[in-house]
Parts: sequence; C-alpha cells; structure tokens
Amino acid sequence: GDSVTQMEGPVTLSEEAFLTINCTYTATGYPSLFWYVQYPGEGLQLLLKATKADDKGSNKGFEATYRKETTSFHLEKGSVQVSDSAVYFCALSDLVGGSNYKLTFGKGTLLTVNP
Amino acid sequence: DTGVSQNPRHKITKRGQNVTFRCDPISEHNRLYWYRQTLGQGPEFLTYFQNEAQLEKSRLLSDRFSAERPKGSFSTLEIQRTEQGDSAMYLCASSPPQQGETQYFGPGTRLLVL
Repeated sequence: GDSVTQMEGPVTLSEEAFLTINCTYTATGYPSLFWYVQYPGEGLQLLLKATKADDKGSNKGFEATYRKETTSFHLEKGSVQVSDSAVYFCALSDLVGGSNYKLTFGKGTLLTVNP
Repeated sequence: DTGVSQNPRHKITKRGQNVTFRCDPISEHNRLYWYRQTLGQGPEFLTYFQNEAQLEKSRLLSDRFSAERPKGSFSTLEIQRTEQGDSAMYLCASSPPQQGETQYFGPGTRLLVL
C-alpha cells in the first residue's frame, strides 16, 4: 500500500538558518504530494502541493519539488523564522475507487526555530 | 468561505459512554473525510463521503464507529461504548469538486476517554 516516510525530528534551528525536511513515498499510482503544517492546538493547514512529476510547489518561502525518479518531495526554506515553529507533515493523495482522494501522511517533523 | 468547522473542540468522557462529533465542511465542497490523529503520529484515514454517500471506510473504523452525512452537508461521527484507546484528535476535511485532491482541514475535536 501507499506510505510516506519523513525525516524524524525534532529539528531545532536558529532564525535565518536553511531548512530541509526530507520526505520519500511509496505509491501504486500517480499520487499528488502535499506538505501540511500544524501549529500548536490547531488543525492542519495546507502549505504547498504538487500534482505531477517535476512540479514545484511553493508558499510563504517554502518550496518542494516532486521527484518521481527518487520518489521524494523534500521541503526547503532558505531562511526560517521563529513563526515557522510547528509540526510539518508530508502526505500523498492517490485516487482510490474513482473519487476518493484519501491522504496518507508521514509521522510529522517538529521544527523549533530559536531567535 | 468560513473554513471547515468542528464541534465540540474538546470532549472528555468516561469509558463506555457514547460521543458524537459534528463537522461542517466548506460550502459546496462535495467530498468530506474523517481522520484520526494520535499523539506523535500523522492523521490516519477513517472514512469518506461524496455528497451524502459513504463510499469508503477504513479497517480502523470498528463497529462501534458510525458516520453520517444525511443531506450532503454537515457530517457526524459517533463512537459507541468508548474505550481508552479511542482517545485521539478527530479531524474532518473537505474538498471541492474541481480540486478533489486538495483537502482543507478543520481544527479537530480532541477526545479524552477516562
């Protein structure tokens, strides 16, 4: 079945440092890939997505490129801020039964950015 | 667009009691999903509705769990005879017809079974 493996945390960085969170996936079909972010006490917010190979998703300075050859979707940001402290989830959506785009998530990576 | 809403936000119950959660999706979103998230884990799929039809249920959804979406709008998730292992965050998400692969999540209902 489908699965997502992401870098285990926690990750602790200083403000303005470079961020990479690794994510690899296994899927039977042609999935769409996502990064979601969860701030303390809140639900998941969509951060960015890519729907086909070589697509680059970007939002709020974060980027990730859909690499089919390496089955990866690594999250990067050039300069993190304290406000980026949160849990980041990599996920894939594989169409099941013609209409069900259920998501399969990684375990999440806790990022803490210190001033 | 007010986003996906869920009620209650928190629920504490005693083992053996029944609980019901409600999810109001974004208006005109035809797909609705329920997920369960335990501490330190990513969300896991529970069930899926397209309009009022429940089209898929995960094996995680035991016979004590039931979900409905009677008019294709809001949805309820009921857990009967709760167990301590049911303690988790229950998340609802919805997606629009044109972008079915993009799901928008509510804030979740955190359940604690004592």
